[in-house]
Amino acid sequence: QKEVEQNSGPLSVPEGAIASLNCTYSDRGSQSFFWYRQYSGKSPELIMSIYSNGDKEDGRFTAQLNKASQYVSLLIRDSQPSDSATYLCAVLLSGTYKYIFGTGTRLKVLA
Amino acid sequence: GAVVSQHPSWVICKSGTSVKIECRSLDFQATTMFWYRQFPKQSLMLMATSNEGSKATYEQGVEKDKFLINHASLTLSTLTVTSAHPEDSSFYICSARAAGTSHEQYFGPGTRLTVT
Repeated sequence: QKEVEQNSGPLSVPEGAIASLNCTYSDRGSQSFFWYRQYSGKSPELIMSIYSNGDKEDGRFTAQLNKASQYVSLLIRDSQPSDSATYLCAVLLSGTYKYIFGTGTRLKVLA
Repeated sequence: GAVVSQHPSWVICKSGTSVKIECRSLDFQATTMFWYRQFPKQSLMLMATSNEGSKATYEQGVEKDKFLINHASLTLSTLTVTSAHPEDSSFYICSARAAGTSHEQYFGPGTRLTVT
């Protein structure tokens, strides 16, 4: 059973701080990784995708990928109360069109 | 770009009736569409994957005769919950994956189904 694991949280950070969200996956062959944000009662919204080892930056968000360690992370700089949501890590299983989601990390940004 | 719509956004139906949910990709062609279900405070559970013009592939434990999926065109997929029961009450979310190599999938806004 291929898995994606995330700490459920909640992760609480003060406004303006950096929030660090982590994800590990079991499918060593996976090449495509995604971070989604989901507000309560809403559907997930794609934040970033990452395919290569290293960092990928988009505004206040930075995704980091380490395939050797099977580890993906998301950094949110200058966290805002509006960033308070559940963040889902998703992995595209190798050789398939099937995405496996983690259970999500709930982030609380305290004003 | 990459907008997916879903209709209806919420529906209440009586036990034993059927409900159809539509999922449309508005500004791109979706080679693959996915249907998920999410119970409160739980993660997304993939129900099935559908490719345009072919039969859907259902996940283990999902009854294909109960959850009918049709992917008639590159922009439209439908999920019909047949003979709905209260335990089918959930948040149903579709997503669509665009043709190409980005592998990104985009979610519709979801449909909240309540079966009374």
